[in-house]
Amino acid sequence: DQQVKQNSPSLSVQEGRISILNCDYTNSMFDYFLWYKKYPAEGPTFLISISSIKDKNEDGRFTVFLNKSAKHLSLHIVPSQPGDSAVYFCAARHYGGSQGNLIFGKGTKLSVKP
Amino acid sequence: GAVVSQHPSRVICKSGTSVKIECRSLDFQATTMFWYRQFPKQSLMLMATSNEGSKATYEQGVEKDKFLINHASLTLSTLTVTSAHPEDSSFYICSARDVVSGYNSPLHFGNGTRLTVT
Repeated sequence: DQQVKQNSPSLSVQEGRISILNCDYTNSMFDYFLWYKKYPAEGPTFLISISSIKDKNEDGRFTVFLNKSAKHLSLHIVPSQPGDSAVYFCAARHYGGSQGNLIFGKGTKLSVKP
Repeated sequence: GAVVSQHPSRVICKSGTSVKIECRSLDFQATTMFWYRQFPKQSLMLMATSNEGSKATYEQGVEKDKFLINHASLTLSTLTVTSAHPEDSSFYICSARDVVSGYNSPLHFGNGTRLTVT
């Protein structure tokens, strides 16, 4: 039973437009959510996070929205750039959970076309 | 930024042999490191938590005698896949958090090791 779901395995967007990556979760005990970006042959790199007490966090071109009632979060990238092409993982952490026990989604491969 | 180095990046070994994977935090100290595994088209799954100077904590379903973890210093953790079999072929990745950072600080990941057992 997957607790963090990224239902779109891939997404293609034109350069300059907005990319919206979605993530759904089932466990209401998650208190912290993160997005990681992964290039081929590299480890995931942290992108942006949000605490469950917030509904929005913004960092430059990246904004994460959290809708707790719907158990849904999304990552918005605007404007999208070709260098944003990568696999994006949504991850969640249990309240009081061990530091490393992040529950990851399967990832969404974003392709930004020039 | 914080860097985690993982070595080797790729290894091919014969069934029955053992393989050691190293994970180093290059510019910070980590009392705890984490080992994940990712099968094709699946998500990263936590295998074990490596604690400096003490025994590792394994997730349910992960064989501790199969996946030996040693965390002898604040900057190095090793994962040894013993008596590897083809079903152990996977992508193994480690991560760590700076000890001086808070609980909500993000994990830093190594680049992973692609293990292929023939």
